[in-house]
Amino acid sequence: GIQVEQSPPDLILQEGANSTLRCNFSDSVNNLQWFHQNPWGQLINLFYIPSGTKQNGRLSATTVATERYSLLYISSSQTTDSGVYFCAVERGGGFKTIFGAGTRLFVKA
Amino acid sequence: NAGVTQTPKFQVLKTGQSMTLQCAQDMNHNSMYWYQQDPGMGLRLIYYSASEGTTDKGEVPNGYNVSRLNKREFSLRLESAAPSQTSVYFCASSDTQRGFAGELFFGEGSRLTVL
Repeated sequence: GIQVEQSPPDLILQEGANSTLRCNFSDSVNNLQWFHQNPWGQLINLFYIPSGTKQNGRLSATTVATERYSLLYISSSQTTDSGVYFCAVERGGGFKTIFGAGTRLFVKA
Repeated sequence: NAGVTQTPKFQVLKTGQSMTLQCAQDMNHNSMYWYQQDPGMGLRLIYYSASEGTTDKGEVPNGYNVSRLNKREFSLRLESAAPSQTSVYFCASSDTQRGFAGELFFGEGSRLTVL
C-alpha cells in the first residue's frame, strides 16, 4: 500500500518563529489533507489540497503531486499551534485515506 | 449544525465484554469511516462505508464489526473486547466526489479502555 512519511517527527519552536512541515508519499494520490490535532485530541481540518497552493491566515500549504510531496508552512507561530500535524492521502477509487505518523509541534512562549 | 457526533466519549470495559460505538453525521455525506488511534501514533482505518448499504474493511478490521444503519449513522461494535483494543476511536464522514473519498470531517473521538 501507499506509504506516507512526515518530517520532522518532532519540532520545538520559540513563539514567533516560522516552520515547514513535510509530507512525502510513495504513489500518486487523488486527495491530500492536512489536519491539526490539538492537545485535547480534536482533529481540525487545515487544508484539503490535492495539488497547488492554499493559504489560510498564518498557515499555507503546497502540494506538488507530480513529485509526491506536500509542505505545510506555519508563520509567526503561536502557543496555540502546539499539537500534532497529520498529513493524510487517498489513492484513487479506494476510499481509504491513509495517515502519516504526524509531526509533533511544541511552541514555547 | 453538529457535524459528526460520537457516543460515548469515554468507556471502560472488562476483557471479553462487548460494546457498540455510535456515530451520526448531519452533513448529508455519503461516506463514513471508523479510525483507531493508539497513543502517540497516527490514525489507522478500521472500516468504511462508501455509501448507504455498503461496508468494507480498512487496514485493521480484525476484532470489529460495523453497521451502516442509514445514511446518517455508522456504528462500530466490539464483540469481545481485548486490552489491545484500548485506544481512541474516531468516526469521520465525507461527501464522495467522482468515486473518491473527498475531504474527511471527524468527530471528537471515543476513548476506550479495556482492563
